[in-house]
Amino acid sequence: ETGVTQSPTHLIKTRGQQVTLRCSSQSGHNTVSWYQQALGQGPQFIFQYYREEENGRGNFPPRFSGLQFPNYSSELNVNALELDDSALYLCASTRGASYNEQFFGPGTRLTVL
Amino acid sequence: DAKTTQPTSMDCAEGRAANLPCNHSTISGNEYVYWYRQIHSQGPQYIIHGLKNNETNEMASLIITEDRKSSTLILPHATLRDTAVYYCIVRLYNNNDMRFGAGTRLTVKP
Repeated sequence: ETGVTQSPTHLIKTRGQQVTLRCSSQSGHNTVSWYQQALGQGPQFIFQYYREEENGRGNFPPRFSGLQFPNYSSELNVNALELDDSALYLCASTRGASYNEQFFGPGTRLTVL
Repeated sequence: DAKTTQPTSMDCAEGRAANLPCNHSTISGNEYVYWYRQIHSQGPQYIIHGLKNNETNEMASLIITEDRKSSTLILPHATLRDTAVYYCIVRLYNNNDMRFGAGTRLTVKP
């Protein structure tokens, strides 16, 4: 147990729909990063939020967007879902923008039909 | 960040030391070596990280060669619960993304 929670656990959507995934960071952590993990592959960095501002982005299109709230919880929004968006979405929290240790949540399994 | 190369899979007998190698021949002087593991259907778990010196914590030891082109993660007494995918990552300390490769699938056998 890392103290990082994600909801929902599983989600099924159809192509073209929009989805919002949620993450609550560990107490005292003000930085949240989101990752996409396709089946059989390592996690791929989507973006990071630090004190409610985007603080870096990986190679993902603009239809992947995010928010961080004053309590440091975060949302990942994906518009115009594609079949290839089917994956495990992980969030990780840490204190500050340094990376001594990231604490990962259990993930949300998204299936796009 | 430098690229890493790891074996696809390894086996280890329960109770024995598990030695997981990682090659990072293009590592630069200010890049750190991190290790994470991912047990099936869970989020990755931080294990250890280091720059030049060998490091040890309650979970594992990290041995980095003098030229820093390779490293080894050592689990001193592997248990069945150590069965997981182990990721070796090289990155700048203040970079905000972790570049996971495919990792090494370690299977600990009774």
